[in-house]
This record gives sequence, C-alpha cells and structure tokens, in this order.
Amino acid sequence: EDQVTQSPEALRLQEGESSSLNCSYTVSGLRGLFWYRQDPGKGPEFLFTLYSAGEEKEKERLKATLTKKESFLHITAPKPEDSATYLCAVEGSGYSTLTFGKGTMLLVSP
Amino acid sequence: GAVVSQHPSRVICKSGTSVKIECRSLDFQATTMFWYRQFPKQSLMLMATSNEGSKATYEQGVEKDKFLINHASLTLSTLTVTSAHPEDSSFYICSAREDRNTEAFFGQGTRLTVV
Repeated sequence: EDQVTQSPEALRLQEGESSSLNCSYTVSGLRGLFWYRQDPGKGPEFLFTLYSAGEEKEKERLKATLTKKESFLHITAPKPEDSATYLCAVEGSGYSTLTFGKGTMLLVSP
Repeated sequence: GAVVSQHPSRVICKSGTSVKIECRSLDFQATTMFWYRQFPKQSLMLMATSNEGSKATYEQGVEKDKFLINHASLTLSTLTVTSAHPEDSSFYICSAREDRNTEAFFGQGTRLTVV
C-alpha cells in the first residue's frame, strides 16, 4: 500500500525566511510525485510533477526536488501570499489514482 | 494549467433529500475523473474513479448506492449524494485527467451541509 507522510504538519515563517517542506513516501514503482497548493475552502492547485530521483522543478519562489524516498518543497524568501496548505501525492505504476499526504499548513507573516 | 469547473461551490440541503454535484473539464477531454472527500485538517480521501462510458470504481467503504457517479461524456461527471444525512456533510472535490501521462487537475470543491 502506498504511503505518503508530510512534515511538519504546520509551519510558521516570517516573510523572507526560507524553509523546506518534506514529503516521505513508499510506493510500488513510482510513476510520479505531485505537489499541490490548497487554499482554505478551495480545491488543490497543481504545482509540480516529478518523475525520477534527482529531478528538480522551479516556479517563482518554489523549488521541488526528488530522491528515491522523499521530496522537498523549498520556499525561498516567502511572502504572505504563499500561505496555504501544501499537499504531496504519489502515483504508483499499477494504477492511475493518487495517494495524498495530510499536507503542511504554511503561514507566512509579514 | 487546465481548468476543471465544479458546481455548486456550496449547497445546503435537508436530511433525506438528494444533491447533485457537477464536474466539468473546460479545455480538455478527461478520460478519467476522480471524486474525493475531505474532512477538516485531513487529506483528500478518494471515493471513486470513473472512466467515460463505464461504471465507476468505488473505494472500499464507500457506498455506491449512496454516492452515485455518472461519467456520461469526456467533459462531465456528476456525483449524486442520495438520501443525504448530516454525517454526509463534507467538502467534496473532483479532479480530471486527460490520460495517465498528464497531471490531474482539481475543481474548486463543493461544501455540502445537510441539515
């Protein structure tokens, strides 16, 4: 059974204070690891897909990296508008469904 | 990214009535759509997977007669909560995928409150 564990559960940062969110996973044959952002009362918004260890992707202040056991979402010089819950999900090779972690709730204070 | 529209965003219904939620892919054809339920501060729980033109596949513990899913076209899937009860109150989210080589995009969610 695929499992995804995200840490920390919640993270409070000052504006400009860089940090990283962690996503540890076990999956049988990784097809893809996905990062989403979810604002309160909204559906998840797609951020990145990573397919193989060593891969990195960037978008504005966010950078996602992948190893064989975990993924990191690095946030550089965050702004208050980066406050949201960040969800990590994996897809195994045998089926098309995603297994989600519980998310990290990020709060960036001005 | 691709756009998935979910409607309504909020609905309040009386106990015992049925509620239909629509999920549309606006700029792509979705061969597969997914329905999730999310409780406060919890992750997304997959309820069912539907492929256009075929019966939905429900996850263990999800009552298929209570949560009716129809995926009649490549751009529309519906979830009908039948004989709703207060314990069905939750945040329901759909997602759609063009194929296995593309990302899944999510609708904005529907907050269902059963009174």
